Amino acid sequence: EAGVAQSPRYKIIEKRQSVAFWCNPISGHATLYWYQQILGQGPKLLIQFQNNGVVDDSQLPKDRFSAERLKGVDSTLKIQPAKLEDSAVYLCASSFDRGTYEQYFGPGTRLTVT
Amino acid sequence: GQQVMQIPQYQHVQEGEDFTTYCNSSTTLSNIQWYKQRPGGHPVFLIQLVKSGEVKKQKRLTFQFGEAKKNSSLHITATQTTDVGTYFCAGSSRSSASKIIFGSGTRLSIRP
Repeated sequence: EAGVAQSPRYKIIEKRQSVAFWCNPISGHATLYWYQQILGQGPKLLIQFQNNGVVDDSQLPKDRFSAERLKGVDSTLKIQPAKLEDSAVYLCASSFDRGTYEQYFGPGTRLTVT
Repeated sequence: GQQVMQIPQYQHVQEGEDFTTYCNSSTTLSNIQWYKQRPGGHPVFLIQLVKSGEVKKQKRLTFQFGEAKKNSSLHITATQTTDVGTYFCAGSSRSSASKIIFGSGTRLSIRP
């Protein structure tokens, strides 16, 4: 079974530029999560999708971050414009369904904003 | 809002010693999950606890969920170098089962 795919793996941008990350979850998984993990901290949930609908985006900085999962499969997360404090690893995870199901994480995208 | 705290932040042990990390939530949890993240890697699911007072074992790892469902622990017996990494708990509250909060993690390092 293929795991969660993410691209790119690394990205370096200057502040005020924009960037987009892509995630393809495990086939058949209805729930998709985007996390931000700052060095030395635990993953922070940014947004959770159930199929193509948003379940929770309470911690997503909506003035600069946006995410979509149009067909209920793959998803993109965008930052526009980026700030220095956005430097982090962005992790995508998926699970069969929401609730009591384990999450499978992708390798993450390491973003450096200079 | 809901907070999930883990202690200790770091633990450095001699190989063969035991290790325990504790997870405490400010609210009652519907379930708790534990993940391990190796250096440079991504979190990998270890186990999920759902019932009050539940205890589960995986070889040298023992997981407990508190009676009040507000705390949990992970105990590793006789650590090995392969246990190196950061251990995270992640819980969702009863009031908002879709919202998952990760703890700050406990980083385990081992002296061979």
